[in-house]
Amino acid sequence: AQSVSQHNHHVILSEAASLELGCNYSYGGTVNLFWYVQYPGQHLQLLLKYFSGDPLVKGIKGFEAEFIKSKFSFNLRKPSVQWSDTAEYFCAVNAANTGFQKLVFGTGTRLLVSP
Amino acid sequence: GAGVSQSPSNKVTEKGKDVELRCDPISGHTALYWYRQSLGQGLEFLIYFQGNSAPDKSGLPSDRFSAERTGGSVSTLTIQRTQQEDSAVYLCASSRKRDQETQYFGPGTRLLVL
Repeated sequence: AQSVSQHNHHVILSEAASLELGCNYSYGGTVNLFWYVQYPGQHLQLLLKYFSGDPLVKGIKGFEAEFIKSKFSFNLRKPSVQWSDTAEYFCAVNAANTGFQKLVFGTGTRLLVSP
Repeated sequence: GAGVSQSPSNKVTEKGKDVELRCDPISGHTALYWYRQSLGQGLEFLIYFQGNSAPDKSGLPSDRFSAERTGGSVSTLTIQRTQQEDSAVYLCASSRKRDQETQYFGPGTRLLVL
């Protein structure tokens, strides 16, 4: 079975600070990896995804994530955060190449960016 | 285009009553998923549909929970004899055949059982 760990439950940053949110997964096979974001009062939105190829993926709003297979990690990064990045961030995985598959989510990281 | 829609947005019910939650997936999306987001449990998978059939019901927490999908489109999640621990946000997601691993989420239905 798959599992996902997000070690940082709450992160507080000032505007312009750099961000890195950790995500580690556990699964014996090949996975697809996702980061979703939930802004206050809004629904889950896809930030970026990794299926195969270049392990550094770029998403919307200046976010990127790097898949490191040897570490079972898919950390989310942004060089300079903005107040509008205040949200909850979820890392998720599903089994690759198996068609429709449920997502397994981490517990989420709440990011607060102070102006 | 239109995203996944869910109704009602909020539902308050009394313990023991039945509730129905509705999901309209993105047009043309063949797969539909239900998840639950609750305090202390995070986001949990409940069930998914491929067309009108449900290959994976493994996440339904008890036999009080059921779901159906008709016409390969709208889905209804029914909770019978609701309990206070059923209080949560119920999320629906859909995905298309050409990019079936990527799921798009609706706004959710916030259920409160008193």
